Amino acid sequence: SAVISQKPSRDICQRGTSLTIQCQVDSQVTMMFWYRQQPGQSLTLIATANQGSEATYESGFVIDKFPISRPNLTFSTLTVSNMSPEDSSIYLCSVEDPISGTYEQYFGPGTRLTVT
Amino acid sequence: GENVEQHPSTLSVQEGDSAVIKCTYSDSASNYFPWYKQELGKGPQLIIDIRSNVGEKKDQRIAVTLNKTAKHFSLHITETQPEDSAVYFCAANANNLFFGTGTRLTVIP
Repeated sequence: SAVISQKPSRDICQRGTSLTIQCQVDSQVTMMFWYRQQPGQSLTLIATANQGSEATYESGFVIDKFPISRPNLTFSTLTVSNMSPEDSSIYLCSVEDPISGTYEQYFGPGTRLTVT
Repeated sequence: GENVEQHPSTLSVQEGDSAVIKCTYSDSASNYFPWYKQELGKGPQLIIDIRSNVGEKKDQRIAVTLNKTAKHFSLHITETQPEDSAVYFCAANANNLFFGTGTRLTVIP
């Protein structure tokens, strides 16, 4: 399985500001995903990020609020823009297994965001 | 879209006993069903998965069963240990992964 790191691991931000979260993978992967996990809740897919194309956003998530970059096959960023306390969540990136390439997803450690 | 329901939401068992977590899904096109374990402060860890062409899969103390006709699948943990304590999520893949609401398992020493 791929080894995934995220930066920062946690942050406390003021409302109205933006935070960019980085996701780095130790191998080249086609599919990368960004999820949100609100406190004590399940995981909700924000968007799918493929290298060389625009990210695909799920219902309820828009590019202006969560812009995503995918400059190469090992790296992606998610920005949480104009933050409000409701954005306080864990943000997780995941990748589809580079070997099997079929559905198996592996997650990073997450970024714990608190908006005050 | 896919809807995955998971129960129970919390489960406490004595060390050495078995634990069973059940999930149902709605989309008959789903064909991949992983289970994740999430410990406090960590990302979800894939522990076992099953594909729609298989009815049961086992890996040491954990096993997963799938009933495609009834659209439900279950995680079985035998001989539970305190380190099994975590939140467990089931998921179903219908183009994307859809997660259940999670089960907080506590193994009492």
